[in-house]
Amino acid sequence: DTEVTQTPKHLVMGMTNKKSLKCEQHMGHRAMYWYKQKAKKPPELMFVYSYEKLSINESVPSRFSPECPNSSLLNLHLHALQPEDSALYLCASSPWGNQPQHFGDGTRLSIL
Amino acid sequence: DQQVKQNSPSLSVQEGRISILNCDYTNSMFDYFLWYKKYPAEGPTFLISISSIKDKNEDGRFTVFLNKSAKHLSLHIVPSQPGDSAVYFCAAQGTNYGGSQGNLIFGKGTKLSVKP
Repeated sequence: DTEVTQTPKHLVMGMTNKKSLKCEQHMGHRAMYWYKQKAKKPPELMFVYSYEKLSINESVPSRFSPECPNSSLLNLHLHALQPEDSALYLCASSPWGNQPQHFGDGTRLSIL
Repeated sequence: DQQVKQNSPSLSVQEGRISILNCDYTNSMFDYFLWYKKYPAEGPTFLISISSIKDKNEDGRFTVFLNKSAKHLSLHIVPSQPGDSAVYFCAAQGTNYGGSQGNLIFGKGTKLSVKP
């Protein structure tokens, strides 16, 4: 069982919809991450939050909007997505520094 | 431009034998390396890591070797079990890499099949 919980597991949305992905961890980790993974590709980093502050934004389009309400929660707000945004979205958390990141099982997102 | 390379897309091994998965990297700023295992429909699961100040780290059946001069690391699984069948990702991170602490760079993965 993963200690990083992501909801929903699957999401289908139209290009005009607004939805949010949620991620939760209770390991006391102070760094949280969003990754995007396309089929047969490795995960690619989107955002990093350190102590609830955004520390890395890997040139992600503004239709993806992250939010870290507290040290246990991480959201990814989605608006006006494109079909090419269909992918597996993974959340991870870790203590800060050279420590392993622990991943959730992801949200499988399909854009119609 | 791949900074972390796993040149073998797949590997097939007999149960009980050793599995060796290889990974090469190009960026000398990387100082922390990890291996993850991924089953279908699940997120990557952390297996083992190694800091650049070491050349070997062992955890049960899993051993990671790091050769900094060759910019190469490998994961040894012995003995291999059918439950080890999964995609294995090598990943690297640099503490002072462009100020991007926490930016984990993944290889493309190697699909390991362990046959009974």
